Amino acid sequence: YVLTQPPSVSVAPGQTARISCEGDNIAGKSVHWYQLRPGQAPQLVIYFGSDRPSGIPERFSGSNSGNTATLTISRVEAGDEADYYCQVWDNVRDHRVFGGGTKLTVL
Amino acid sequence: QVQLVESGGGLVKPGGSLRLSCAASGFTFSDYYMTWIRRAPGKGLQWISFISGSGTTIYYADSVKGRFTVSRDNAKNSLYLQMNSLRADDAGVYYCARDRPLTGRDYNDYWGQGTQVTVSS
Repeated sequence: YVLTQPPSVSVAPGQTARISCEGDNIAGKSVHWYQLRPGQAPQLVIYFGSDRPSGIPERFSGSNSGNTATLTISRVEAGDEADYYCQVWDNVRDHRVFGGGTKLTVL
Repeated sequence: QVQLVESGGGLVKPGGSLRLSCAASGFTFSDYYMTWIRRAPGKGLQWISFISGSGTTIYYADSVKGRFTVSRDNAKNSLYLQMNSLRADDAGVYYCARDRPLTGRDYNDYWGQGTQVTVSS
């Protein structure tokens, strides 16, 4: 099972960033999103498609439909600059699968 | 609070071995599945393995099956990854991460800072 993410997304502060994650009928899978910032432990930002862990700002939201899952970050801040990865479980191979990652740049 | 601290990384020659450790605290370690994930240089995240809380259920990625062995010592709140026959493409930052209590097929809610593994002659 292959997950495809755009290598990079750029957005100005205060604007909305949308990071896509494409996979065959991904709507039928549980999608999770992680944020990786240099020098920090990776952080879960969205789980089960749209749930937000405690401590994650409401600006972070997720959706999943058809062949595309999307992580949306509203009112983007400089501190949101990071690499973001989507992840699902591949039931056929019994493997966890990650997307290739998207580098979010805040202009 | 939940803390995961990896150790044991370093420089190893191709074909060599390394044992990574992950010290867990702040939660009932034996209740949770645990996972190893790596990030290769210039590449993305790659899932390596997960192990159930009791240690009886273990899954591996195809790329490491037969070479890596995951284990845990619940009395010591520790997770391990024994890596043998290391190759250049095994290099990267290795993270341990906490799964959910009943499965390793979902998400990881806490991660360590990672330990660097370099494979080079």
